[in-house]
Amino acid sequence: GAVVSQHPSRVICKSGTSVKIECRSLDFQATTMFWYRQFPKKSLMLMATSNEGSKATYEQGVEKDKFLINHASLTLSTLTVTSAHPEDSSFYICSASTGGAYNEQFFGPGTRLTVL
Amino acid sequence: GESVGLHLPTLSVQEGDNSIINCAYSNSASDYFIWYKQESGKGPQFIIDIRSNMDKRQGQRVTVLLNKTVKHLSLQIAATQPGDSAVYFCAENTTGANSKLTFGKGITLSVRP
Repeated sequence: GAVVSQHPSRVICKSGTSVKIECRSLDFQATTMFWYRQFPKKSLMLMATSNEGSKATYEQGVEKDKFLINHASLTLSTLTVTSAHPEDSSFYICSASTGGAYNEQFFGPGTRLTVL
Repeated sequence: GESVGLHLPTLSVQEGDNSIINCAYSNSASDYFIWYKQESGKGPQFIIDIRSNMDKRQGQRVTVLLNKTVKHLSLQIAATQPGDSAVYFCAENTTGANSKLTFGKGITLSVRP
């Protein structure tokens, strides 16, 4: 149980294009989903927290107009990197939570984005 | 500011030995701690967690120790195996509204055959 998937697992795009990454909770309903970014040999950095049906809450320094997050249902959240540039190349990881007292998060397998 | 950090960037152990990975945290309000294992190109994998009302918790071959007095967390892996080779992260959470995880820097565990 508590499986989270991401699609695509790997994407290469040209600079200036937009890329959408999907995060799905496969066997549970996620009241909250989180998006992280991880650069090589670095830790996970939280980008934003999204609750179903409401606007995402972005961490300081993360541009909300560049990283568009949509949490349209209890099983799907999407992250769109708009006008991607090489510096946006990174490993993007989502997690999903059912809430609860300890808000345990279940992580997806990650999406490797490479912007040429 | 508040931070979660690890004492050592890499740890090399002999197969069969026990491994101890340490983590320091500084947010005294944190009340839930988790250890994750991350293999190359994959997402974090939950290993074990501990709540602040406990000081020790055991799983299969793993034990987490929490010392709230000195804000220290450790992960012990018994009889380390090659499959344990990965990057390990500690993370802290403050439960309640707007709770979120803060990850430590990560330590690479390398198991020598």
